[in-house]
Amino acid sequence: EAGVTQFPSHSVIEKGQTVTLRCDPISGHDNLYWYRRVMGKEIKFLLHFVKESKQDESGMPNNRFLAERTGGTYSTLKVQPAELEDSGVYFCASSLPTGLAGGYNEQFFGPGTRLTVL
Amino acid sequence: SQKIEQNSEALNIQEGKTATLTCNYTNYSPAYLQWYRQDPGRGPVFLLLIRENEKEKRKERLKVTFDTTLKQSLFHITASQPADSATYLCALDPIDTGRRALTFGSGTRLQVQP
Repeated sequence: EAGVTQFPSHSVIEKGQTVTLRCDPISGHDNLYWYRRVMGKEIKFLLHFVKESKQDESGMPNNRFLAERTGGTYSTLKVQPAELEDSGVYFCASSLPTGLAGGYNEQFFGPGTRLTVL
Repeated sequence: SQKIEQNSEALNIQEGKTATLTCNYTNYSPAYLQWYRQDPGRGPVFLLLIRENEKEKRKERLKVTFDTTLKQSLFHITASQPADSATYLCALDPIDTGRRALTFGSGTRLQVQP
């Protein structure tokens, strides 16, 4: 079974441009998460979808970030306009519905998208 | 706010020895704590989850302990192998609160010398 996939693997853009990151979760995983790791820091939570609904947006840094999950399948994370401090690695993760996961919150991560804003 | 700390210095050990990694946390009372492994250029991979009432959890050569009094978790790899070289992350798991956002430590890099 395919794992979580992310596209692109790398993106280099100029400050002020727009970038859209895509995440395809594991099939059947209702929960989808976005995290990011900026240089030298720990991985930090951005937001959590349950199917197409935003369950928790508490980690979104500002309104330049927009996440969507239309249809409850894949998700996109758009940064518009990008700033220098947005550079880092953006990870997507997915997990089973709570009822199917036996109460566990094991999250399956994708390989990440490395974003560089110049 | 919640804070989770891992030794930022790399841990270098000889093959066959036991590696012990430490995770300390403050301002948090988790019912669950998770450990992940991360290799360069890849996302974290789940290893173990421990509940506060479990004190100790084992999986093959891995062992995790959880001391809620000390607010500390220890992660042990016995009979370590060069293939165990990676960064190991601990994460606070708030699932008992209804939230699912993991709070990660910065990770400890383990290097196992052959």
